[in-house]
Amino acid sequence: GAGVSQSPSNKVTEKGKDVELRCDPISGHTALYWYRQRLGQGLEFLIYFQGNSAPDKSGLPSDRFSAERTGESVSTLTIQRTQQEDSAVYLCASSLSGGEVYEQYFGPGTRLTVT
Amino acid sequence: AQSVTQLDSHVSVSEGTPVLLRCNYSSSYSPSLFWYVQHPNKGLQLLLKYTSAATLVKGINGFEAEFKKSETSFHLTKPSAHMSDAAEYFCVVSAPWGNQFYFGTGTSLTVIP
Repeated sequence: GAGVSQSPSNKVTEKGKDVELRCDPISGHTALYWYRQRLGQGLEFLIYFQGNSAPDKSGLPSDRFSAERTGESVSTLTIQRTQQEDSAVYLCASSLSGGEVYEQYFGPGTRLTVT
Repeated sequence: AQSVTQLDSHVSVSEGTPVLLRCNYSSSYSPSLFWYVQHPNKGLQLLLKYTSAATLVKGINGFEAEFKKSETSFHLTKPSAHMSDAAEYFCVVSAPWGNQFYFGTGTSLTVIP
């Protein structure tokens, strides 16, 4: 079946511009995660959505970052007034949930370059 | 709080020799632990997971990991390395309710022909 998809695959933007990244999770997966992976580093948790509950935003690095999710489907991560330090690969993952720890399925990522 | 430490940033082995990638964890709870692999220009793929069942976990591609509570370790092993194993490996810990996953900084595995 279809996996997690992300768009665009690559995005080059000028410093100060806003960008919007999209994630389409696996159908039926109620949990959705966004991560940031800087070059040569591990994954940094950004935000977590679970069904209709309030999202866990504890990983967002600044108020320039925000994310939304429409029901249990597509999610968008928005970065306002981009800075060069925002350059990274942004990964989305989805999983089942409900009283057990399920594996996450990752999308291919969006590579963001801020010039 | 949960965290993981991957003790080696780079590991290099010869093809056909054993692989050992080390991971230590810290958790206030009984943790769930995972190993993910990331091949160049490809997405992250789950290798194996531990969720409080058998302490020796077998995964895909011949990898396995052993949960050792006394040592707070979850090292990844494979008896014989293959060229296709060259990739970045991430150890991950999660609290039992699974809403946050903490990734290690990764170990880059090089396999020498």
